[in-house]
Order: sequence, then C-alpha cells, then structure tokens
Amino acid sequence: AQKVTQAQTEISVVEKEDVTLDCVYETRDTTYYLFWYKQPPSGELVFLIRRNSFDEQNEISGRYSWNFQKSTSSFNFTITASQVVDSAVYFCALSEATGTASKLTFGTGTRLQVTL
Amino acid sequence: DVKVTQSSRYLVKRTGEKVFLECVQDMDHENMFWYRQDPGLGLRLIYFSYDVKMKEKGDIPEGYSVSREKKERFSLILESASTNQTSMYLCASSLTERRPQHFGDGTRLSIL
Repeated sequence: AQKVTQAQTEISVVEKEDVTLDCVYETRDTTYYLFWYKQPPSGELVFLIRRNSFDEQNEISGRYSWNFQKSTSSFNFTITASQVVDSAVYFCALSEATGTASKLTFGTGTRLQVTL
Repeated sequence: DVKVTQSSRYLVKRTGEKVFLECVQDMDHENMFWYRQDPGLGLRLIYFSYDVKMKEKGDIPEGYSVSREKKERFSLILESASTNQTSMYLCASSLTERRPQHFGDGTRLSIL
C-alpha cells in the first residue's frame, strides 16, 4: 500500500527565513508521480508541482524549490525568503501511474505559519 | 482557466437526512474525485469516476454513494447522514490519470 508521511505538523517561521517541508513516501510501484499542493485559508487546494519517478532533477520556481531523492524516498519542498502569503497548509501526495484513474494518496499536511 | 465548482461552501443537515453534494467542472475532464478532509488525517478518497456512469470506490466509501450522469457533474450522496460524516468535502477533476487534479473550494458539511 502507498503511504505519504509529512512528519512536521506545524512550522512557524519569521518572514524572510528559509523553510523546508519534508515528505517521505512508500510505494512498490516503479513508476509513480509525486505532487505538492498548497491550501491557503480560503480552502481551495492549489497545485504546485508534479514530478515523475524517472526524473530526479531538482526543480526551482521562483522562491520555491523541490528536492527529489529516490534513494531516501523523499520529495522535500523549500521556500526561500518566506513571506506572509506563504502561510498555508501544504500537502505532499503520491499517485500510481497505472490504472483507469490515478488515485492520490495524501500526507496529513504541514501547516506553515509565516509571521512578520 | 480551470474551474471546479462545488454547489455549497457551508451546509448544515440533520442526522438521517439524505444529503447531496454537487460538483461541476468546465474543463471536459475524464476523471473526477470526492475526498473528505479531517484534521490530522489529511485528504482521504471516498469515490472516483473515470467516465460517465463509471465509478470506483476509494479508501473510505462506506456511507456514501456517487452519481455521474454527465461528464461535467459528479455528485456525492450521503444516504443517511450521521454525525461522523461532519467534515470538509473536496471535489477534484483531472484530464488524464497522469495530470494534476484540480480542486474546488470545498464544502464544509455539519451533521447535527
């Protein structure tokens, strides 16, 4: 069975600090996809990134970066120079790549609070 | 732009009522999903559908059913609402199995 673990329940940082959100996953599939979603206080989940299991290149998008390491089954998310608008709950998710419709398995989320 | 619309943001119902939660997407997506979100448990998949009139159980289908009569609409039905179904319900859709899922704003359902 697939599993996603986000061990950090809540993180609190001061604006401009860097912060890393951890994600560890378990799967028996050799082909799979990993995702990060952001859920701001308004409630809607916003897609941030998708990474397939064959692509271990790190990715950077503005202040966001992602570190995918298959050897440790981790897909960590770093926000550089955090801002108050980054305050949200962040979910890591794992998807099987086969089947009629991929089911996402979500972690329990990490609540990030950025204060001035 | 991608749009998934859930019919209500907040809903209050009574124990034993039959409850309908509606979700509409305007992106011609094949796949649609219903999740519930509870503190400390993350999102859990209730049901999903990969085509009109097709449905599959997710991880926690007990007490729920779904209906997909048209491609754009996916309904979640609580046959006889119970207090343990008080939760945030999120609908999502995706173009294919490998594409990201796009989520609605959620319905916060309270069963009294």
